[in-house]
Order: sequence, then C-alpha cells, then structure tokens
Amino acid sequence: NAGVMQNPRHLVRRRGQEARLRCSPMKGHSHVYWYRQLPEEGLKFMVYLQKENIIDESGMPKERFSAEFPKEGPSILRIQQVVRGDSAAYFCASSPSTGGSHGEKLFFGSGTQLSVL
Amino acid sequence: DQQVKQNSPSLSVQEGRISILNCDYTNSMFDYFLWYKKYPAEGPTFLISISSIKDKNEDGRFTVFLNKSAKHLSLHIVPSQPGDSAVYFCAAAGFQKLVFGTGTRLLVSP
Repeated sequence: NAGVMQNPRHLVRRRGQEARLRCSPMKGHSHVYWYRQLPEEGLKFMVYLQKENIIDESGMPKERFSAEFPKEGPSILRIQQVVRGDSAAYFCASSPSTGGSHGEKLFFGSGTQLSVL
Repeated sequence: DQQVKQNSPSLSVQEGRISILNCDYTNSMFDYFLWYKKYPAEGPTFLISISSIKDKNEDGRFTVFLNKSAKHLSLHIVPSQPGDSAVYFCAAAGFQKLVFGTGTRLLVSP
C-alpha cells in the first residue's frame, strides 16, 4: 500500500522558469493538501483540493501559484516565473476525508525541495 | 497571524529522561490537536492526537495533555530515546485543514 508519492524529490529552476510539483495521494484518498516549509519555519498551509475542486486556497499567493487535482492523475502545484523566495520544501498530504475533522490525520509525502537559482 | 505557536525552537535531553514539548494556540474553535514528527528529508509522520473534549491521551511512551482554559497542550515522551531526535510539530484541526506550529527540534543524547 503505497503512501503519498511526490515527485520530483529535488527540483532546480532558474529565476523566471516554471516549476511543476506532482503529488499522488494514498489509494482511496480523495482529499489533497499542499503545505510549504520555508527554511527555519513551520509548515504553512497553501491549498486544499478534492477531485476537480479547489476547496480552500487561502494560503496560496495570489499570483504565479496554481493547483489542480484532476479527475484522473496526480495533483499538480504549479509555480510560474519562479523567484528565489519560492525556494522551499513543498509537502503534499492526503486524507480519506476532511483533514482534521474528528481527528482525521493527514498522511504526508516526502516533499519536493525546490531550489531557485 | 500565528494561530499555533511552539515557542521553544529546540530542546535537548538525555536518554532515559522525560522530554516535554509545548504548544499554545489562540483559536478556541480548534477541536482536535495532533503531534507530528519529522526527520530530515522526510515528510511529517503522525504521532498522537487528542480531542478537545479530553485532557489526556496516552500511547506507549507518548502522552499528550490538553489544557483548554489555557489554550495549551504538551507532548511528554518518557523515557526519551536517541531515535526520538527529530523536529516535532504541533497541529490544530479546524476549518477543514490542519494549522501547524513552527516546530521544536528535539535532541536526545545517549
């Protein structure tokens, strides 16, 4: 039973390029969350998606960032025109239902470390 | 606005002693609290949780205490082991997501 799969593990981009981060949730999980961890900081919520729907994107920067979770395939976090400040570890998590409700825990992937040169 | 705070960025204890990690929150609407453990280059893994209707939950060496009136929770690890060395995140559940604290780095020395 595979866990949450994220790829790539490491991604290097030059300023102005696009970064695409992929996340396949655990089997049977239809809720996906993206978190970002900046150096020496905690995990910051970015976006919560269900299949084909964005439920809460209150933590997403208003520009350059987008996320999707299509009916088929992995969830994608897309960052356009990356800047140095986007360098961080991006974690995806999944749950079978709303994360946190009734103690529903999130299962995390190993993360994608994005480095912007 | 940091709704979940872990004011101690690091903690060092000796093997066999008790480790106490603290967490404070500001929003009384949170109804579940969880602790996650994170090793370098890995994702966080769930450790233990507690409902807001309880004040204690125990699982082996790990016990979480909740003081709702003080909006404070703590994680006790006893006895501490070197393999417990990791970053520990406190998380609060509400509004369909988990809100995490900034983490406490625990170092357990032999």
